[in-house]
Amino acid sequence: VIWMTQSPSLLSASTGDRVIISCRMSQGISSYLAWYQQKPGKAPELLIYAASTLQSGVPSRFSGSGSGTDFTLTISCLQSEDFATYYCQQYYSFPGTFGQGTKVEIK
Amino acid sequence: EVQLVESGGGLVQPGGSLRLSCAASGFTFSSYWMSWVRQAPGKGLEWVANIKQDGSEKYYVDSVKGRFTISRDNAKNSLYLQMNSLRAEDTAVYYCARDWYPSLGHMIWDYWGQGTLVTVSS
Repeated sequence: VIWMTQSPSLLSASTGDRVIISCRMSQGISSYLAWYQQKPGKAPELLIYAASTLQSGVPSRFSGSGSGTDFTLTISCLQSEDFATYYCQQYYSFPGTFGQGTKVEIK
Repeated sequence: EVQLVESGGGLVQPGGSLRLSCAASGFTFSSYWMSWVRQAPGKGLEWVANIKQDGSEKYYVDSVKGRFTISRDNAKNSLYLQMNSLRAEDTAVYYCARDWYPSLGHMIWDYWGQGTLVTVSS
Protein backbone atom coordinates (compact mmCIF):
# COMPACT_ATOMS: atom_id res chain seq x y z
CA VAL A 1 0.00 0.00 0.00
CA ILE A 2 1.26 3.44 -0.95
CA TRP A 3 0.50 6.05 1.71
CA MET A 4 -0.05 9.59 0.52
CA THR A 5 0.28 12.76 2.55
CA GLN A 6 -1.19 15.87 0.96
CA SER A 7 -0.59 19.24 2.59
CA PRO A 8 -1.86 21.59 3.67
CA SER A 9 -5.42 20.38 4.13
CA LEU A 10 -6.66 23.98 4.09
CA LEU A 11 -5.04 26.94 2.42
CA SER A 12 -6.31 30.49 2.69
CA ALA A 13 -5.18 32.74 -0.14
CA SER A 14 -6.08 35.84 -2.07
CA THR A 15 -6.62 36.38 -5.76
CA GLY A 16 -3.24 36.89 -7.40
CA ASP A 17 -1.34 34.81 -4.85
CA ARG A 18 1.07 32.04 -5.73
CA VAL A 19 -0.13 28.81 -4.19
CA ILE A 20 1.80 25.58 -3.65
CA ILE A 21 0.27 22.25 -2.64
CA SER A 22 2.40 19.28 -1.67
CA CYS A 23 1.86 15.55 -2.08
CA ARG A 24 4.29 13.09 -0.52
CA MET A 25 4.37 9.33 -1.11
CA SER A 26 5.50 6.59 1.25
CA GLN A 27 7.45 5.03 -1.61
CA GLY A 28 8.72 6.11 -4.99
CA ILE A 29 6.18 6.27 -7.80
CA SER A 30 8.36 7.68 -10.58
CA SER A 31 6.16 10.33 -12.25
CA TYR A 32 2.85 8.48 -12.00
CA LEU A 33 1.01 11.32 -10.32
CA ALA A 34 -2.07 13.27 -11.34
CA TRP A 35 -3.80 16.33 -9.93
CA TYR A 36 -7.54 17.01 -9.98
CA GLN A 37 -9.62 20.06 -9.15
CA GLN A 38 -13.06 19.69 -7.60
CA LYS A 39 -15.52 22.51 -7.04
CA PRO A 40 -18.41 22.14 -4.56
CA GLY A 41 -21.13 19.89 -5.90
CA LYS A 42 -19.17 19.15 -9.06
CA ALA A 43 -17.17 16.24 -10.42
CA PRO A 44 -13.37 16.26 -10.23
CA GLU A 45 -11.56 17.56 -13.29
CA LEU A 46 -8.17 16.31 -14.41
CA LEU A 47 -5.57 19.10 -14.36
CA ILE A 48 -2.19 17.42 -14.62
CA TYR A 49 -0.86 13.93 -15.25
CA ALA A 50 2.62 12.41 -15.40
CA ALA A 51 3.46 14.84 -12.58
CA SER A 52 3.89 17.83 -14.88
CA THR A 53 1.86 17.44 -18.09
CA LEU A 54 -1.09 19.80 -18.35
CA GLN A 55 -4.33 18.26 -19.52
CA SER A 56 -5.72 19.90 -22.64
CA GLY A 57 -7.55 23.13 -21.87
CA VAL A 58 -6.01 23.68 -18.45
CA PRO A 59 -4.67 27.22 -17.97
CA SER A 60 -0.91 27.63 -17.92
CA ARG A 61 -0.98 29.18 -14.44
CA PHE A 62 -1.23 25.60 -13.20
CA SER A 63 1.99 23.60 -13.09
CA GLY A 64 3.17 20.39 -11.51
CA SER A 65 6.59 19.14 -10.57
CA GLY A 66 8.36 16.33 -8.79
CA SER A 67 9.19 12.68 -9.14
CA GLY A 68 9.81 9.76 -6.85
CA THR A 69 8.16 10.64 -3.54
CA ASP A 70 7.69 14.41 -3.50
CA PHE A 71 5.37 16.36 -5.77
CA THR A 72 3.92 19.85 -5.92
CA LEU A 73 1.05 21.61 -7.64
CA THR A 74 1.62 25.32 -8.15
CA ILE A 75 -0.94 27.92 -9.13
CA SER A 76 1.13 30.91 -10.18
CA CYS A 77 -1.52 33.63 -9.94
CA LEU A 78 -4.68 32.51 -8.19
CA GLN A 79 -7.91 33.41 -9.97
CA SER A 80 -11.40 33.51 -8.49
CA GLU A 81 -12.36 30.34 -10.35
CA ASP A 82 -9.46 28.46 -8.75
CA PHE A 83 -11.00 28.38 -5.28
CA ALA A 84 -11.71 24.66 -5.00
CA THR A 85 -10.40 21.44 -3.51
CA TYR A 86 -7.38 19.80 -5.12
CA TYR A 87 -6.52 16.12 -4.98
CA CYS A 88 -3.36 14.31 -5.94
CA GLN A 89 -3.66 10.73 -7.22
CA GLN A 90 -0.94 8.14 -7.57
CA TYR A 91 -1.33 5.71 -10.43
CA TYR A 92 1.91 3.79 -10.03
CA SER A 93 0.05 0.89 -8.44
CA PHE A 94 -3.45 -0.39 -9.17
CA PRO A 95 -5.90 0.91 -8.21
CA GLY A 96 -4.95 4.52 -8.13
CA THR A 97 -5.41 6.19 -4.77
CA PHE A 98 -6.03 9.79 -3.83
CA GLY A 99 -4.61 12.19 -1.31
CA GLN A 100 -6.86 13.65 1.37
CA GLY A 101 -7.38 16.88 -0.55
CA THR A 102 -6.42 20.53 -0.12
CA LYS A 103 -9.17 23.11 0.06
CA VAL A 104 -8.11 26.48 -1.30
CA GLU A 105 -10.35 29.13 0.22
CA ILE A 106 -10.61 32.88 -0.03
CA LYS A 107 -8.54 34.65 2.60
CA GLU B 1 -18.18 16.66 -26.18
CA VAL B 2 -17.73 13.81 -23.75
CA GLN B 3 -20.69 13.45 -21.40
CA LEU B 4 -21.32 10.99 -18.59
CA VAL B 5 -24.67 11.16 -16.83
CA GLU B 6 -25.37 9.04 -13.78
CA SER B 7 -28.76 8.08 -12.40
CA GLY B 8 -30.33 5.67 -9.96
CA GLY B 9 -29.14 7.01 -6.63
CA GLY B 10 -31.41 7.45 -3.64
CA LEU B 11 -32.18 6.46 -0.08
CA VAL B 12 -32.04 2.76 0.74
CA GLN B 13 -32.12 0.81 3.98
CA PRO B 14 -29.12 -1.18 5.19
CA GLY B 15 -29.11 -4.55 3.47
CA GLY B 16 -30.99 -3.18 0.50
CA SER B 17 -30.08 -2.94 -3.17
CA LEU B 18 -29.73 -0.23 -5.76
CA ARG B 19 -28.70 -0.12 -9.40
CA LEU B 20 -26.81 2.85 -10.74
CA SER B 21 -26.65 3.72 -14.42
CA CYS B 22 -24.33 5.93 -16.43
CA ALA B 23 -25.22 7.11 -19.92
CA ALA B 24 -22.18 7.97 -22.04
CA SER B 25 -22.00 10.11 -25.15
CA GLY B 26 -19.51 12.07 -27.20
CA PHE B 27 -16.94 9.28 -27.54
CA THR B 28 -16.69 5.65 -28.65
CA PHE B 29 -17.87 4.05 -25.42
CA SER B 30 -16.92 0.52 -26.48
CA SER B 31 -13.26 1.54 -26.81
CA TYR B 32 -12.70 2.45 -23.17
CA TRP B 33 -12.39 0.84 -19.80
CA MET B 34 -14.85 2.50 -17.42
CA SER B 35 -14.90 2.96 -13.65
CA TRP B 36 -17.08 3.88 -10.72
CA VAL B 37 -15.46 6.16 -8.15
CA ARG B 38 -17.18 7.25 -4.95
CA GLN B 39 -16.90 10.06 -2.44
CA ALA B 40 -18.39 9.81 1.03
CA PRO B 41 -19.87 13.07 2.36
CA GLY B 42 -17.08 15.49 3.21
CA LYS B 43 -14.46 12.86 2.42
CA GLY B 44 -11.96 12.02 -0.29
CA LEU B 45 -12.23 9.94 -3.43
CA GLU B 46 -12.18 6.14 -3.64
CA TRP B 47 -12.12 3.97 -6.75
CA VAL B 48 -14.81 1.28 -6.54
CA ALA B 49 -14.70 -0.87 -9.67
CA ASN B 50 -13.81 -0.92 -13.34
CA ILE B 51 -14.63 -2.95 -16.41
CA LYS B 52 -12.86 -3.72 -19.65
CA GLN B 53 -14.17 -2.60 -23.02
CA ASP B 54 -15.92 -5.90 -23.78
CA GLY B 55 -16.91 -6.64 -20.18
CA SER B 56 -14.58 -9.63 -19.95
CA GLU B 57 -12.53 -8.25 -17.07
CA LYS B 58 -13.82 -6.58 -13.92
CA TYR B 59 -12.00 -5.40 -10.81
CA TYR B 60 -13.30 -4.23 -7.44
CA VAL B 61 -12.05 -2.57 -4.29
CA ASP B 62 -11.94 -5.16 -1.50
CA SER B 63 -14.70 -3.49 0.53
CA VAL B 64 -17.34 -4.13 -2.16
CA LYS B 65 -16.26 -7.52 -3.51
CA GLY B 66 -19.15 -9.97 -3.49
CA ARG B 67 -21.70 -7.18 -2.99
CA PHE B 68 -21.31 -4.91 -6.02
CA THR B 69 -21.33 -5.88 -9.70
CA ILE B 70 -20.17 -3.63 -12.51
CA SER B 71 -21.50 -4.23 -16.02
CA ARG B 72 -21.93 -2.44 -19.31
CA ASP B 73 -24.06 -2.46 -22.44
CA ASN B 74 -22.04 -1.14 -25.36
CA ALA B 75 -25.09 -1.13 -27.64
CA LYS B 76 -26.72 1.35 -25.25
CA ASN B 77 -23.50 3.23 -24.36
CA SER B 78 -24.26 2.53 -20.73
CA LEU B 79 -22.41 1.54 -17.59
CA TYR B 80 -24.06 0.03 -14.53
CA LEU B 81 -23.34 -0.70 -10.89
CA GLN B 82 -25.55 -3.21 -9.11
CA MET B 83 -25.16 -2.68 -5.37
CA ASN B 84 -26.47 -5.33 -2.98
CA SER B 85 -26.22 -5.78 0.80
CA LEU B 86 -25.68 -2.07 1.18
CA ARG B 87 -24.10 -0.72 4.34
CA ALA B 88 -24.05 2.70 5.95
CA GLU B 89 -20.42 3.07 4.91
CA ASP B 90 -21.46 2.81 1.25
CA THR B 91 -23.16 6.20 1.56
CA ALA B 92 -21.47 8.41 -1.00
CA VAL B 93 -21.74 10.23 -4.29
CA TYR B 94 -20.97 7.70 -6.99
CA TYR B 95 -19.21 8.98 -10.10
CA CYS B 96 -18.96 7.28 -13.44
CA ALA B 97 -15.53 7.96 -14.93
CA ARG B 98 -13.65 7.11 -18.10
CA ASP B 99 -10.40 5.25 -17.62
CA TRP B 100 -7.41 6.63 -19.44
CA TYR B 101 -3.93 5.18 -19.71
CA PRO B 102 -1.34 7.90 -20.40
CA SER B 103 1.21 5.15 -19.83
CA LEU B 104 0.56 1.48 -20.55
CA GLY B 105 -0.85 -0.21 -17.48
CA HIS B 106 -1.17 2.98 -15.45
CA MET B 107 -4.69 4.35 -15.15
CA ILE B 108 -6.20 7.74 -14.39
CA TRP B 109 -9.64 9.19 -15.09
CA ASP B 110 -9.96 11.89 -17.71
CA TYR B 111 -13.73 12.46 -17.72
CA TRP B 112 -16.22 12.22 -14.89
CA GLY B 113 -19.98 12.44 -14.59
CA GLN B 114 -21.72 14.74 -12.13
CA GLY B 115 -22.40 11.91 -9.73
CA THR B 116 -25.44 10.36 -8.06
CA LEU B 117 -25.94 10.27 -4.29
CA VAL B 118 -26.53 6.97 -2.55
CA THR B 119 -27.65 7.18 1.07
CA VAL B 120 -27.84 4.02 3.14
CA SER B 121 -29.84 4.65 6.27
CA SER B 122 -32.76 3.27 8.23
